[in-house]
Amino acid sequence: NAGVTQTPKFQVLKTGQSMTLQCAQDMNHNSMYWYRQDPGMGLRLIYYSASEGTTDKGEVPNGYNVSRLNKREFSLRLESAAPSQTSVYFCASRQQGAGNSPLHFGNGTRLTVT
Amino acid sequence: GDSVTQMEGPVTLSEEAFLTINCTYTATGYPSLFWYVQYPGEGLQLLLKATKADDKGSNKGFEATYRKETTSFHLEKGSVQVSDSAVYFCALSEGDSSYKLIFGSGTRLLVRP
Repeated sequence: NAGVTQTPKFQVLKTGQSMTLQCAQDMNHNSMYWYRQDPGMGLRLIYYSASEGTTDKGEVPNGYNVSRLNKREFSLRLESAAPSQTSVYFCASRQQGAGNSPLHFGNGTRLTVT
Repeated sequence: GDSVTQMEGPVTLSEEAFLTINCTYTATGYPSLFWYVQYPGEGLQLLLKATKADDKGSNKGFEATYRKETTSFHLEKGSVQVSDSAVYFCALSEGDSSYKLIFGSGTRLLVRP
């Protein structure tokens, strides 16, 4: 009963380094999302993928890229990390078209950029 | 644009106290409304939802009623427990055709024994 799995759980990067956050869901959901969570700001949408093969920008896409590798996997890439990208990142999935279905979240990746 | 406003926390209560966490929203259409809960070190999980005016969502003793006239969706629980300590997020979605959920900033609840 895995749900949404994110890796890694923690990561420390130096400014300018790159990395990819991985996300996989086993619920056969069509839509997947990447959010960042910062103190006092709630969750802000970075990118989403409505279905396999499509991706769209959310509220705060600058500095990020995404890939919807297949129906299960949706990765988030930081090409050149900046201290402003220090945050907790959450992946989520949802079955769009199923009557206001809720988001299912992973447990997050805590990223620190020094 | 659409937005969600929650009361600032932290909210500190004694066990068995009554809880209210206020949430108001602005939306152009007829959104669905959600409460999510985040326990320490975990992702968010759905607590309850309501999809139309006057609907009441309920789960685990928590309730919230969709009030269109006051654009509110306040979370209530009659008797909180220490295990309810968490961060609570109000959110809206402009119907199932929308791909975006908009979250409030979250309210931390601390319940003392």
